[in-house]
Amino acid sequence: EAQVTQNPRYLITVTGKKLTVTCSQNMNHEYMSWYRQDPGLGLRQIYYSMNVEVTDKGDVPEGYKVSRKEKRNFPLILESPSPNQTSLYFCASTAGSTDTQYFGPGTRLTVL
Amino acid sequence: GQQVMQIPQYQHVQEGEDFTTYCNSSTTLSNIQWYKQRPGGHPVFLIQLVKSGEVKKQKRLTFQFGEAKKNSSLHITATQTTDVGTYFCAGRAGGYNKLIFGAGTRLAVHP
Repeated sequence: EAQVTQNPRYLITVTGKKLTVTCSQNMNHEYMSWYRQDPGLGLRQIYYSMNVEVTDKGDVPEGYKVSRKEKRNFPLILESPSPNQTSLYFCASTAGSTDTQYFGPGTRLTVL
Repeated sequence: GQQVMQIPQYQHVQEGEDFTTYCNSSTTLSNIQWYKQRPGGHPVFLIQLVKSGEVKKQKRLTFQFGEAKKNSSLHITATQTTDVGTYFCAGRAGGYNKLIFGAGTRLAVHP
């Protein structure tokens, strides 16, 4: 089954404790993105990657890092999380032929 | 920077009534996409519009892309309780990289 998976689905952590949210897709898509969703603000792109070893900033990259060492994986790294990074995070991958974007199930992060 | 404004923020209808959500961009878009997110779920791609003035239909849903490629709408005819959720538009302005989402319209349908 074609899908985007994220882990963990829920995470409560404390300020300053480094964390990684994993994202994996099995559709061989080149383009992947990370979004955060906050009430009233819709989805805002954090980082995107057009292929292995090619990443770029989205609209709200501050406080986040990403890496793309393999096509299927696109982890999101918070080196020193702060409470303003409490949010719902979605990973997505895009089929280049149709521009259809497939979202993962989401990771709800709370930073205390 | 590029912005995509979406209205209304919230709409409450009786089952069987029609519903429309509108998106307006501050810049000309190369394409616009629409997504639906059920409560507690993730966004699901519905459709992409590319051509100026394009109209596409999916059963009771009608999607339009404005002539100037700066606005779009989604119209649902005779809403059903299964239509409940938040509908997002997302516009891309030149290039393949950035997709800017509207804030979404949350639809509540009462039986």
